[in-house]
Amino acid sequence: EAGVTQSPTHLIKTRGQQATLRCSPISGHTSVYWYQQALGLGLQFLLWYDEGEERNRGNFPPRFSGRQFPNYSSELNVNALELEDSALYLCASSSRTAYNEQFFGPGTRLTVL
Amino acid sequence: KNEVEQSPQNLTAQEGEFITINCSYSVGISALHWLQQHPGGGIVSLFMLSSGKKKHGRLIATINIQEKHSSLHITASHPRDSAVYICAVRLGGAQKLVFGQGTRLTINP
Repeated sequence: EAGVTQSPTHLIKTRGQQATLRCSPISGHTSVYWYQQALGLGLQFLLWYDEGEERNRGNFPPRFSGRQFPNYSSELNVNALELEDSALYLCASSSRTAYNEQFFGPGTRLTVL
Repeated sequence: KNEVEQSPQNLTAQEGEFITINCSYSVGISALHWLQQHPGGGIVSLFMLSSGKKKHGRLIATINIQEKHSSLHITASHPRDSAVYICAVRLGGAQKLVFGQGTRLTINP
């Protein structure tokens, strides 16, 4: 069974640009979570999508947004990129019956120059 | 004060040593996770606990709900165990995880 996949692996952007990160959950999982791991900081919760809807978001500005598609894959969009957005962005998924257990993807490393 | 505190922040040991990493939290939780992050960033979920103790190979995780404390133990440590170990708690009623700062473990041969 394939795990959580994320693309791209690395992304380099300049300040002010927009970045789009993608996540495909494990087959059968309906929830997708996004986390940010900035250099020197721990992992922080960004967004939670379930059944196509945003269910919860962390303490991040509105320029961090996303969506979940009917096939449960998800996009994270970061607008008006700032230098401090440089981080590893991790996606995780969980199933409806085992929502406590999240499986993580390999991450997308975003570098903002 | 962070809701999840790990100790130590860094740990260096010799191959074969018994390793203990601690995690304390200050809020009510419904589950606690231990995660392993290797250089390059990928995260592997090691354990999910809501009570008691779990064992997988050389890894043992325990949780004391009353004391709001969990430990991750590694027996007969090996250089391939070198990684960052992260404690994360799922707050009661919430789906998001709150993470500790991680413990960087280095096992020397």
